[in-house]
Amino acid sequence: EIVLTQSPATLSLSPGERATLSCRASQSVSSFLAWYQQKPGQPPRLLIYDSATRATGIPARFSGSGSGTDFTLTISSLESEDFAVYYCQQRSDWPPLTFGGGTKVEIK
Amino acid sequence: QVQLVESGGGVVQPGRSLRLSCAASGFTFITYSMHWVRQPPGKGLEWVAMISSNGNNKYYADSVQGRFTISRDNSKNTLYLQMNSLRAEDTAVYYCARDLESGGYGAEYFQHWGQGTLVTVSS
Repeated sequence: EIVLTQSPATLSLSPGERATLSCRASQSVSSFLAWYQQKPGQPPRLLIYDSATRATGIPARFSGSGSGTDFTLTISSLESEDFAVYYCQQRSDWPPLTFGGGTKVEIK
Repeated sequence: QVQLVESGGGVVQPGRSLRLSCAASGFTFITYSMHWVRQPPGKGLEWVAMISSNGNNKYYADSVQGRFTISRDNSKNTLYLQMNSLRAEDTAVYYCARDLESGGYGAEYFQHWGQGTLVTVSS
């Protein structure tokens, strides 16, 4: 099973700042990695898939990069609605499909 | 627009069974693989099961293999999860999710999600 480790667990930033979230895989997942955003009481929302492709309707301030074992989600300038928990997910080697433990982006 | 509506959750004793349903609309159900993903209260996401678009292929997480069964009725646009021998650690919000891409196995990314249904396993 591929284990995804996200860091940091919590990121405290102010609106307008740049957020950089990391996801590291226990073995190569090529570019088969997605990012999701989840707000309290809501289901997750797909942001990025195949490492760098934005899903439909996702603003350009969200970008993804990486391949192999190291991946990054960048939010170029945080808006108030971006404060949430973010999860990465791999589909390279499954079952099982696996998620990282999440990074909470909170208001500083 | 795509809608996924889960139902069937509730409080159940350990060892008992429960069946979840997910009613789909707004897309051609028969062309997409479907998934169940769960989230224990206050914790992260765990993929549970996947069924291919035609229902012929099914995959499970080790934690539910042999206890849970995923199925679909394409004539009713409905996805199911039969959960047997429930344990306390199965307590979670259960989401149904539609794959990103149509056809066969899809892309194994989750583009659309329902609002979830809470299953609580407790005596």
